[in-house]
Amino acid sequence: GEDVEQSLFLSVREGDSSVINCTYTDSSSTYLYWYKQEPGAGLQLLTYIFSNMDMKQDQRLTVLLNKKDKHLSLRIADTQTGDSAIYFCAETPGNAGNMLTFGGGTRLMVKP
Amino acid sequence: DSGVTQTPKHLITATGQRVTLRCSPRSGDLSVYWYQQSLDQGLQFLIQYYNGEERAKGNILERFSAQQFPDLHSELNLSSLELGDSALYFCASSNRYNEQFFGPGTRLTVL
Repeated sequence: GEDVEQSLFLSVREGDSSVINCTYTDSSSTYLYWYKQEPGAGLQLLTYIFSNMDMKQDQRLTVLLNKKDKHLSLRIADTQTGDSAIYFCAETPGNAGNMLTFGGGTRLMVKP
Repeated sequence: DSGVTQTPKHLITATGQRVTLRCSPRSGDLSVYWYQQSLDQGLQFLIQYYNGEERAKGNILERFSAQQFPDLHSELNLSSLELGDSALYFCASSNRYNEQFFGPGTRLTVL
């Protein structure tokens, strides 16, 4: 079945850029998403990219998609302590409806 | 605030019991999704409804059921509860661009 993989942990210094990576297996994925989850909170939709795009920029966030390698990344510029959270990558399987398949999440720690 | 509401926020119950979780989607969204988040399984899709009809099923146990009502709110019913059902249950609704917005979740603890 579909599988989405992420590294578990990333630590950066405040003001640096963060890059969170994700790989997926379903080549028919139509949309790929990034969500943020702060402690005790729900999932906040940060951004998403359609599978026919290779890049999307939204303020401090840049999403890169490499369809050939099935690799997705989220770059956060000028990372702040408020960016500390768990980041989830998710995809919608193109041939099975619109439900999301999530990766295990990457915990981002931002040190002052 | 995503616009998706879920009640209750917390639920503590005993094994063998039955509970109902409630979700109201964002205004105008016809699709409702239920997800379960647990430490060992991560975030898993359970079931989707679209305008009152079941649209897709994921890893939902037979002890669990859901429905979507004419006013588009949805309920997730969990019965014969087991310790392993303790988790965060999220509801999400989506617009026509398939942006899925999540509610704050219901934390279920089964003792």
